[in-house]
Amino acid sequence: DTGVSQDPRHKITKRGQNVTFRCDPISEHNRLYWYRQTLGQGPEFLTYFQNEAQLEKSRLLSDRFSAERPKGSFSTLEIQRTEQGDSAMYLCASSWGYQETQYFGPGTRLLVL
Amino acid sequence: QQQVKQSPQSLIVQKGGISIINCAYENTAFDYFPWYQQFPGKGPALLIAIRPDVSEKKEGRFTISFNKSAKQFSLHIMDSQPGDSATYFCAASLRGYNKLIFGAGTRLAVHP
Repeated sequence: DTGVSQDPRHKITKRGQNVTFRCDPISEHNRLYWYRQTLGQGPEFLTYFQNEAQLEKSRLLSDRFSAERPKGSFSTLEIQRTEQGDSAMYLCASSWGYQETQYFGPGTRLLVL
Repeated sequence: QQQVKQSPQSLIVQKGGISIINCAYENTAFDYFPWYQQFPGKGPALLIAIRPDVSEKKEGRFTISFNKSAKQFSLHIMDSQPGDSATYFCAASLRGYNKLIFGAGTRLAVHP
């Protein structure tokens, strides 16, 4: 068990570019979550997968954001036409079965110039 | 109703002292209340969690006190150490749902 991993750890991009982040959950965890954390704030829920099905999306997830989990293992979060307001830490978490404990990855810090 | 309000925003404690962080919620349907610890550049890590049918839970130096009638819960860190210096987040979730709703965080500094 190596924990939740995220890649890249840091990303700097120019406004208008597309970016994609990857999350690898803990092995056999069937639930995967994406959160966004801005400076000085707690994480805010973005979306949730159970296996490959995306079951819930926050209103924070505008149509420029899309998330996938094609085989129920790793997940990707894509942001199209990035804006400066997208600058944040993007956190991934996973959990198993009906256990509420969510295990977080180290996050991807995005800076949009 | 979905908010979790956390205080104080920052806290300075001397080594060996007790750190106390408070959270309040409105939605009585919340039934799971975890506390997370986050170091700079790292993701949040679960410290301890409680359900509303229990008034107190202790794990090592960390204790959660839960007051269901007041809709408040707090984290107590006994014998605080410099290594406890981090940001602490309370959170809540609804049974059957999966998203955690976090407080804004408390930055704790433990001075030697």
